[in-house]
Amino acid sequence: QVQLVQSGAEVKRPGASVKLSCKASGYTFTNHPIHWVRQARGQRLEWMGWITAGSGDTKYSQNFQGRLTLTRDTSATTVYMDLRSLTSEDMAVYYCAREGYASGSYDYWGPGTLVTVSS
Amino acid sequence: SLELTQPPSVSVSPGQTARITCSGDALPNQYAYWYQQKPGQAPMVVIHGDGERPSGIPERFSGSSSGTTVTLTISGVQAEDEADYFCQSADNSGTYRFGGGTRLTVL
Repeated sequence: QVQLVQSGAEVKRPGASVKLSCKASGYTFTNHPIHWVRQARGQRLEWMGWITAGSGDTKYSQNFQGRLTLTRDTSATTVYMDLRSLTSEDMAVYYCAREGYASGSYDYWGPGTLVTVSS
Repeated sequence: SLELTQPPSVSVSPGQTARITCSGDALPNQYAYWYQQKPGQAPMVVIHGDGERPSGIPERFSGSSSGTTVTLTISGVQAEDEADYFCQSADNSGTYRFGGGTRLTVL
């Protein structure tokens, strides 16, 4: 069965970087883009970007230009999200999600990773 | 602009019909998707593509569109449908966006 397993919770200082992982299993990894979505406590979902697991092409939300990098390791069937220059506004649960439908929506989500930014 | 606007809250009694709207100028040309999120859980798609319902989603969930507004309709609302609902769409460049979310309360 399809699974997206995310790395554990992180606590970071302001100005630091965080790198989260999303390990996919149960399907052909290179067939589906992976998206990252975050959600601050009690707030809306915020789309961050996607990566095509096959070619490694990426697309980022303008809200994160210059701070966000998505990469993938096809041998490890894992996607990584690297967010730099953290501020308190980056404190959120970060989800990875598989784009599984031809229309572009997500059919599987990871459980989320909590990132706390605190001095 | 891919801005998507949802009402913050909708309340209905059990058995009634809930309608949650999502408005955006780009919607006539794009697919819209609907996700349900319950507290402490990851979202789950309930409507995707051209109003399609994934397997396992009850028939009481349906999607429709008219002009710049898409609507999620839940017919015969049940207590278990109480959740936050988010619309999402994407433009031709592959940029995605979510609406602000609507809290559905079952009275």
